[in-house]
Amino acid sequence: SAVISQKPSRDICQRGTSLTIQCQVDSQVTMMFWYRQQPGQSLTLIATANQGSEATYESGFVIDKFPISRPNLTFSTLTVSNMSPEDSSIYLCSAETGGTEAFFGQGTRLTVV
Amino acid sequence: SQKIEQNSEALNIQEGKTATLTCNYTNYSPAYLQWYRQDPGRGPVFLLLIRENEKEKRKERLKVTFDTTLKQSLFHITASQPADSATYLCALLPISGGYNKLIFGAGTRLAVHP
Repeated sequence: SAVISQKPSRDICQRGTSLTIQCQVDSQVTMMFWYRQQPGQSLTLIATANQGSEATYESGFVIDKFPISRPNLTFSTLTVSNMSPEDSSIYLCSAETGGTEAFFGQGTRLTVV
Repeated sequence: SQKIEQNSEALNIQEGKTATLTCNYTNYSPAYLQWYRQDPGRGPVFLLLIRENEKEKRKERLKVTFDTTLKQSLFHITASQPADSATYLCALLPISGGYNKLIFGAGTRLAVHP
């Protein structure tokens, strides 16, 4: 299993600014992912965070807007850049340990004003 | 198009009854299907996994069925309790198409009343 600590848990940000969300796992994991979840909506995969290389982004998400780092097997960051109110959402970090189960952080509730 | 559908309306049931949640999918061939529980302000927590060649899986008061012909999974909570109130998400991993990442439904909110 894996325990994921994600911070901040929530933030209110001004439009045009950037926020970096951190994700720390208590053990080495094979895969790390970043999701976005709008209220009442499904989790939408933003990207796969690759250790030591550039993240793999899903359709509709670009590196300039959502730069991701993963310097090692237990840590990743997601930055939401040049924010607008449309970026208000819950952002979730997820990890897989090589099995089939996905583990999630508690999420970051972002409000852009 | 490919879709995963869960009932968007909340399911309200009386304590002690069996809650049944539905997950339907189209245009996927899942290797397996998973169910997660999500409480407000928290990330999803894994509950059960059922593979394409399995019909049913149980864990304590939970039971999941998987019908690949109907393209449907049912999630049952027997002897439901108010503490079971949460949103339940289904997720599947497609076999084909080179896309090997979990795809989630929007979830169904369950409210168990005393």
